[in-house]
Amino acid sequence: GENVEQHPSTLSVQEGDSAVIKCTYSDSASNYFPWYKQELGKRPQLIIDIRSNVGEKKDQRIAVTLNKTAKHFSLHITETQPEDSAVYFCAASFFSGSARQLTFGSGTQLTVLP
Amino acid sequence: NAGVTQTPKFQVLKTGQSMTLQCAQDMNHNSMYWYRQDPGMGLRLIYYSASEGTTDKGEVPNGYNVSRLNKREFSLRLESAAPSQTSVYFCASSERPTGGNSNQPQHFGDGTRLSIL
Repeated sequence: GENVEQHPSTLSVQEGDSAVIKCTYSDSASNYFPWYKQELGKRPQLIIDIRSNVGEKKDQRIAVTLNKTAKHFSLHITETQPEDSAVYFCAASFFSGSARQLTFGSGTQLTVLP
Repeated sequence: NAGVTQTPKFQVLKTGQSMTLQCAQDMNHNSMYWYRQDPGMGLRLIYYSASEGTTDKGEVPNGYNVSRLNKREFSLRLESAAPSQTSVYFCASSERPTGGNSNQPQHFGDGTRLSIL
């Protein structure tokens, strides 16, 4: 199956600074890479995703980059705000059984300091 | 639309008791999933149903069974609960199986917090 490693496990930044979270994956056939944000006690919510035929995708202050050769992808948050504080999970799709599934990284606790 | 609805939100069980976690979605999605979330371990797939009438094991299926009752509903059953099954359980759905030739993000419910004593 797929293995997804996520770093760092915790990240503290000053408000207004940028934050970068990195993930690596093992299955070269993976073709879909979503990022989820989970606030304390809440459900994971999709914030951005990227497919393997695209190298970068942006949505306002959030961007994701993908390096297929190196099998890693990263989440970039610019101009961080206190409401960005949450746990962020990366994931990669892989085929097993009857359909594609997602394997999640172990999460990054982002704290934005005012 | 409510999206993905899970019941109950909280539950405490004794070791050996059985329980069924319920999940329903109103987005007309074909695929549904059950995950467990433990501290420091992210989300791990227990079982999934790519379409109505099919179910498959995920990464951690031992001790669980599932039923895809219809297109809307996908339940998770613990036949004989063990303390190791204490966790937060999330149900998710997607229009079609995630990945492949089109973007099919998964949408999550609010979770069921399950404690087994």
